[in-house]
Amino acid sequence: SYELTQPSSVSVSPGQTARITCSGDALSKQYAYWYQQRAGRAPVLVIYKDTERPSGIPERFSGSGSGTTVTLTISGVQAEDEAAYYCQSADTTDNYWAFGGGTKLTVL
Amino acid sequence: EVQLVESGGGLVQPGGSLRLSCEASGFTLSSFWMSWVRQAPGKGLEWVANINQGGSEKYYVDSVEGRFTVSRDNGLHSVYLQMNSLRVEDTAVYFCARWGYNSGYGDAFDIWGQGTMVTVSS
Repeated sequence: SYELTQPSSVSVSPGQTARITCSGDALSKQYAYWYQQRAGRAPVLVIYKDTERPSGIPERFSGSGSGTTVTLTISGVQAEDEAAYYCQSADTTDNYWAFGGGTKLTVL
Repeated sequence: EVQLVESGGGLVQPGGSLRLSCEASGFTLSSFWMSWVRQAPGKGLEWVANINQGGSEKYYVDSVEGRFTVSRDNGLHSVYLQMNSLRVEDTAVYFCARWGYNSGYGDAFDIWGQGTMVTVSS
């Protein structure tokens, strides 16, 4: 197993840029994935393979990575972006899938 | 519409058993690995188990190994999670999720159900 570390909370004002990081040794070898989970709802995939955006996800969501840290960036944050965000990766050699602890994004 | 619908959650005493079901629609279940992910109240997501398309490969997080069994019936468009020897710490919302590798999403879970709540308490 391995660990993915995220900040517990991030706060931004509407229209600003939010950046949420995820760190872990495995990220230097494996892709990262990001999910948005609004209160009381199921998670939704917003970024896959570090930087790709599924269809239907707004362009203001983007992903990047360098070494053992990946970053989810939300440009021009809107009130509807207030949610918990989770990073995820997988070790398909050991058959283990891991999530970060989650970051609560608050839109002030 | 691609959809996963879980059922079978409820209240069970410690040491008891419960079987969760996940019914898939809108896609060919037999083409995909499927997973269970749980979320304890107020906590983060935790991967629980995966099963391959034919049911011959199964993987579990250490904390449920030997107690939980994942299975599937592609003819009934369903995936199951048999949970035995339940513990208080198994209390969580259990989500069924599709592993998106065959959809081009790599190791992501690309489709999620709405979840079913399991409460283990005396």
